Amino acid sequence: EIVLTQSPGTLSLSPGERATLSCRASQSVSSTDLAWYQQKPGQAPRLVIYGASSRATAIPDRFSGSGSGTDFTLTISRLESEDFAMYYCQQFGSSPLTFGGGTKVEIK
Amino acid sequence: QVQLQESGPGLVKPSETLSLTCTVSGRSISSYYWNWIRQFPGKGLEWIGYIYASGTTNYNPSLKSRVTISVDTSENQFSLNLNAVTAADTAVYYCAAARGGHLPYWGQGTLVTVSS
Repeated sequence: EIVLTQSPGTLSLSPGERATLSCRASQSVSSTDLAWYQQKPGQAPRLVIYGASSRATAIPDRFSGSGSGTDFTLTISRLESEDFAMYYCQQFGSSPLTFGGGTKVEIK
Repeated sequence: QVQLQESGPGLVKPSETLSLTCTVSGRSISSYYWNWIRQFPGKGLEWIGYIYASGTTNYNPSLKSRVTISVDTSENQFSLNLNAVTAADTAVYYCAAARGGHLPYWGQGTLVTVSS
């Protein structure tokens, strides 16, 4: 099983700041098989990035993804109020599908 | 736009079987891979397994001995059975549609509590 480790656990930032979230895999993951999700309290996860760098439908361009192999990054260029949430990475290059433990982006 | 809705009991007794159904609308169930995912109270997400319309399944090895996922194409539904449940199975259960390994469509989730 591929273990995904996200860091930091919590990111405390102000609106307008840049957020950089990390996802490290225990084995190499194809870029096509890495996704990021946003989750707000009481809601289901929402796909933000797929294929490591492609934005999902209706996701603003302040969200970007990058990385390859075992190291992937989600960047939010300028945080807006609606971006404060939990973020999870996910892989399906190798069964079973696994999720990272999440990074909470909170208002400082 | 694909919409999914989970349904089933919110309370299950220990050692019994948890049964949930996901109703799909907006798209034929003959498309996508149809998944069950759960989220524990501590927020961790665990993939349970998927089924394709053909009936092909893939389960998480950690749950494989207790899980069955089935599909009813005539009703545009798929279902989850998890037997011999314990308190550790208490979670919010989501159904979700997968395309290319990522999950663009999710149900709203349903909380299932295992307790006597």
